[in-house]
Amino acid sequence: AQTVTQSQPEMSVQEAETVTLSCTYDTSESDYYLFWYKQPPSRQMILVIRQEAYKQQNATENRFSVNFQKAAKSFSLKISDSQLGDAAMYFCAYSGKGQKLVFGQGTRLTINP
Amino acid sequence: DTEVTQTPKHLVMGMTNKKSLKCEQHMGHRAMYWYKQKAKKPPELMFVYSYEKLSINESVPSRFSPECPNSSLLNLHLHALQPEDSALYLCASSQGVAGEETQYFGPGTRLLVL
Repeated sequence: AQTVTQSQPEMSVQEAETVTLSCTYDTSESDYYLFWYKQPPSRQMILVIRQEAYKQQNATENRFSVNFQKAAKSFSLKISDSQLGDAAMYFCAYSGKGQKLVFGQGTRLTINP
Repeated sequence: DTEVTQTPKHLVMGMTNKKSLKCEQHMGHRAMYWYKQKAKKPPELMFVYSYEKLSINESVPSRFSPECPNSSLLNLHLHALQPEDSALYLCASSQGVAGEETQYFGPGTRLLVL
């Protein structure tokens, strides 16, 4: 079974600085999809970014970018110019073809003003 | 529009009550999901509907009964719940159930069972 591991239960960063959240996963498949979701306190879970495993280019969305290392099965999220609104629980998730979404345990990110 | 709506936002019920949670999406998605999320934990999949048919039931107790009246609506009927069922219940939808489809989540219903 596929597993997703987020080794940092909590992280904090100063406003305007850059932070990287780590995620590793275990799979024997070659074709799959990876996601980062953000869940602010008492607010809706929203998609931050997604990556197709067959694409070598790392996905980016404004201040959010990923470092996808397929051989190492690593999928880290970099947040540049951190803002107070970035404070949230971040979940890394994996999905194979026709399979359910597998979530990591989450990383709680605090932004210090 | 990537909106999934859920009602009610909060629900308090006794162990003998019957209540229902409602989820709605108007994105033309054909797959809908119920998740249960405990505090500081990731969501746990409960049910998946594909084209209005139940395709996955993750061994959920029968006191939870899902229903998909049409392609836009998903209900979760609750009966004789236990205090440990208190949690945030999330609905999600996607174009299909294929793994490449992004799931869009609703804001959730926070349930407290007394």
